[in-house]
Amino acid sequence: QVTLRESGPALVKPTQTLTLTCAFSGFSLSTFGMCVSWIRQPPGKALEWLALIDWDDDKYYSTSLKTRLTISKDTSKNQVVLTMTNMDPVDTATYYCARTGSGSSRGQFDSWGQGTLVTVSS
Amino acid sequence: QSVLTQPPSASGTPGQRVTISCSGSSSNIGSNTVNWYQQLPGTAPKLLIYSNNQRPSGVPDRFSGSKSGTSASLAISGLQSEDEADYYCAAWDDSLIGVFGGGTKLTVL
Repeated sequence: QVTLRESGPALVKPTQTLTLTCAFSGFSLSTFGMCVSWIRQPPGKALEWLALIDWDDDKYYSTSLKTRLTISKDTSKNQVVLTMTNMDPVDTATYYCARTGSGSSRGQFDSWGQGTLVTVSS
Repeated sequence: QSVLTQPPSASGTPGQRVTISCSGSSSNIGSNTVNWYQQLPGTAPKLLIYSNNQRPSGVPDRFSGSKSGTSASLAISGLQSEDEADYYCAAWDDSLIGVFGGGTKLTVL
């Protein structure tokens, strides 16, 4: 059974750096073809893909956010970490991690965490 | 402004068939697989259709997907009240990013 769980601060101040952790079980990110993505959803708005890391440690980032995002993995701990710098109130959203397909199926998110709401406010 | 284009809303009465469209380009839908997600209020999205037209285990066969060129569609037949949700399409883009549609809010009248 695949499970994912996001954790991190519920409140961050503008200009601070956000660090989110995705702890997962039921698969290994060292297995060929495995990937994990981060996706966010501002309140009442659409889903937005942020970043992906694959089994080979290749990393991909949203074009508009790439200068602020860093994704990394700790295979031994079954964790993926996302950092986002220079947080702004517009970054207020529920942040999800999801197991992701590979190759032409990297838009396939077959298991999701429950999400963690991050509010950016002074 | 989402890369994939979906109608913001759709509606139908119980038992009806409803379709939701998703329009993209040659770099995303045209060359990669399309996936659909159902998001019930207050919950995380759930994979509904993958690889254009495949249903994960547990998804009723009332849900079906199709793709033609740079567009895709999700069809829901025998509409039920519990189908009221937001629906999103997603795909990989050859520019090496993930892309979503803006979402369609389905109302069961």
